[in-house]
Amino acid sequence: GAVVSQHPSWVICKSGTSVKIECRSLDFQATTMFWYRQFPKQSLMLMATSNEGSKATYEQGVEKDKFLINHASLTLSTLTVTSAHPEDSSFYICSARVFKKTSGGETTDTQYFGPGTRLTVL
Amino acid sequence: QKEVEQDPGPLSVPEGAIVSLNCTYSNSAFQYFMWYRQYSRKGPELLMYTYSSGNKEDGRFTAQVDKSSKYISLFIRDSQPSDSATYLCAMSAGGNNRLAFGKGNQVVVIP
Repeated sequence: GAVVSQHPSWVICKSGTSVKIECRSLDFQATTMFWYRQFPKQSLMLMATSNEGSKATYEQGVEKDKFLINHASLTLSTLTVTSAHPEDSSFYICSARVFKKTSGGETTDTQYFGPGTRLTVL
Repeated sequence: QKEVEQDPGPLSVPEGAIVSLNCTYSNSAFQYFMWYRQYSRKGPELLMYTYSSGNKEDGRFTAQVDKSSKYISLFIRDSQPSDSATYLCAMSAGGNNRLAFGKGNQVVVIP
């Protein structure tokens, strides 16, 4: 399957600082990547859709000026949490969309996830 | 009504038992169906993928999709303690549509 990496895997920072998280598709090109956050024992919450070469599309209630997303290439998307506060502490996970058609006519449209980044803001 | 309904459990089974998980959905446009396995503090791992209706088997795992009933299932045979995880169903209509997730079902396989 497709491999997606994230860096860093965990980060602790002081309140008011900015943190950048990288998401890379290692063995394929991803025109679309997604950013999620997940609180303990809860499901994934989509934050934004990141398209290579264009502005990200943010979900309702997600502050675009606080969560800056850049999709600079077909293999890299970054999420920057600006002026982080303790309430931003969470598990952030990216995913990359894989869409392809086989010679047999079957289509695949799915997402492969990174291992996640645990952010703790003190 | 939520787009995807999944009973969060938890579900505890003895080792070797069959685990049965399911999700229902309301959007008839969904045609891509996935099951993800997520271990604690890790990202979700794609376990099974099915396009449209039908069954798919991969080792101890079987995924079923019944579009007429808007119901999908995942079966795990001969369950092992290493299968203890949260299982998320996900689906999409394709195109630029994002994935709709179930809440996740926590499974515990007791040795």
